[in-house]
Amino acid sequence: DTAVSQTPKYLVTQMGNDKSIKCEQNLGHDTMYWYKQDSKKFLKIMFSYNNKELIINETVPNRFSPKSPDKAHLNLHINSLELGDSAVYFCASSQGQGGYTFGSGTRLTVV
Amino acid sequence: GENVEQHPSTLSVQEGDSAVIKCTYSDSASNYFPWYKQELGKRPQLIIDIRSNVGEKKDQRIAVTLNKTAKHFSLHITETQPEDSAVYFCAARAAGGGNKLTFGTGTQLKVEL
Repeated sequence: DTAVSQTPKYLVTQMGNDKSIKCEQNLGHDTMYWYKQDSKKFLKIMFSYNNKELIINETVPNRFSPKSPDKAHLNLHINSLELGDSAVYFCASSQGQGGYTFGSGTRLTVV
Repeated sequence: GENVEQHPSTLSVQEGDSAVIKCTYSDSASNYFPWYKQELGKRPQLIIDIRSNVGEKKDQRIAVTLNKTAKHFSLHITETQPEDSAVYFCAARAAGGGNKLTFGTGTQLKVEL
């Protein structure tokens, strides 16, 4: 049983397209996150939801829109993809003030 | 906001030697400091963490120390093995920050035979 699962694992798309990444956790955690890991391996938070409510929204272009239909799911939709959006996107979850459990990542390549 | 600096960026040790990775943080209100290990092409995985009311924590070959006054924390790996080769990230969480973790820039550890 995968605790935090993301789909797709790989995504190759052309500039200007719109794409979505999905994340689901079966840990019963109350908080979910999206992190972006760039080519230099730097992990930067994008968004966080607690029980479906947006609680962290970092300086991210408004082409990125998260959605949390319930506390077990957090999706990320990206409009008008740009070359600079190429990265690995990690979903994570946590309970209370505990550490994160990360998903396996989605490698997005924009060509 | 919180800023976490991590050193060194790369570290090469001989098998059996010890490895130490150091981090500093800026927000004195930070109260939770986890360490993550990321193998090539894999997800970051929590290996050890420490809270601000504790100065040291150990789990088999790994230990973490925290100096709140200096705002430093360090990861110590003893008797390194080839499978310890990975990128290691420190992180810090500021109190009242919605459990947001700010990560360091990572240390590529290579354990050579």
